[in-house]
Amino acid sequence: EIVMTQSPATLSVSPGERATLSCRASQSVNSDLAWYQQKPGQAPRLLIYAASTRATGIPGRFSGSGSGTEFTLTISSLQSEDFALYYCQQYSNWPRTFGQGTKVEIK
Amino acid sequence: EVQLLESGGGLVQPGGSLRLSCAASGFTFSSSGMTWVRQAPGKGLEWVSAITGSGGNTFYADSVKGRFTISRDNSKNTLYLQMNSLTAEDTAVYYCAKTAPYYFNYWGQGTLVTVSS
Repeated sequence: EIVMTQSPATLSVSPGERATLSCRASQSVNSDLAWYQQKPGQAPRLLIYAASTRATGIPGRFSGSGSGTEFTLTISSLQSEDFALYYCQQYSNWPRTFGQGTKVEIK
Repeated sequence: EVQLLESGGGLVQPGGSLRLSCAASGFTFSSSGMTWVRQAPGKGLEWVSAITGSGGNTFYADSVKGRFTISRDNSKNTLYLQMNSLTAEDTAVYYCAKTAPYYFNYWGQGTLVTVSS
C-alpha cells in the first residue's frame, strides 16, 4: 500500500497570504495525484487532479505541482472560504490512499 | 447536474449487517466507475471500495475485504455497499463518489453508520 504523508498537520495563515501544503508518497505515483478540500459538515470537493489540473469551477488561486513522490498544493491568496481541511490522494495503485490531511486555519 | 444521494445508514449492533445505497442522477451511470469512501468521526478519509461501470471489476480496502460487497444496478442508477460483520471500527460517514475515471469528481453528502451495542 502506498502511504501518503501530508505536512504540516496544521497551517496558520492570514487572509491574503499564500499557503503551501505538501504531500509525499511512499513510492512513485507518477502524476496520479488529486487534492480535495473539505469543510466542516460537508463532503470533500475535488480541487486538483493529475497533480496540476484544476477541476471544473476551481478558482485560479489554487495550483498543484509535483510528480513522482513529492507534491504541493498552493493557494496564492487565501480567501475566507479557503480555511478548511485539505487531503491528497493517489490513484496510481490499489488500494487508493489518502493523506491524513492538512488543516488550514486563520492566523 | 450530477447528484448522488446515499441512504441506508443507521445504528447497528456489532456483528450486524447493513446495506447502503447511493442513487445517482445527472450522468450516464453505467459508463462511470463508482467508489465508497468513509470518514470516522473526527478522522481523515479512508477509501473503502470501488466498482467499474459494468460492475465486472471490484476493488476493496484490506480493512473491509471479505466483509463488504460493492455492487450496482445500472437499470436503477444505484450503487450499493453490503456491509457484514460490522465492528465499532466501521463507524463512519460513508460517502459514495463518482470516479472520473480514477479520481473522485463528485461526492454525495454521506450517510452515517454507527456500530454500537
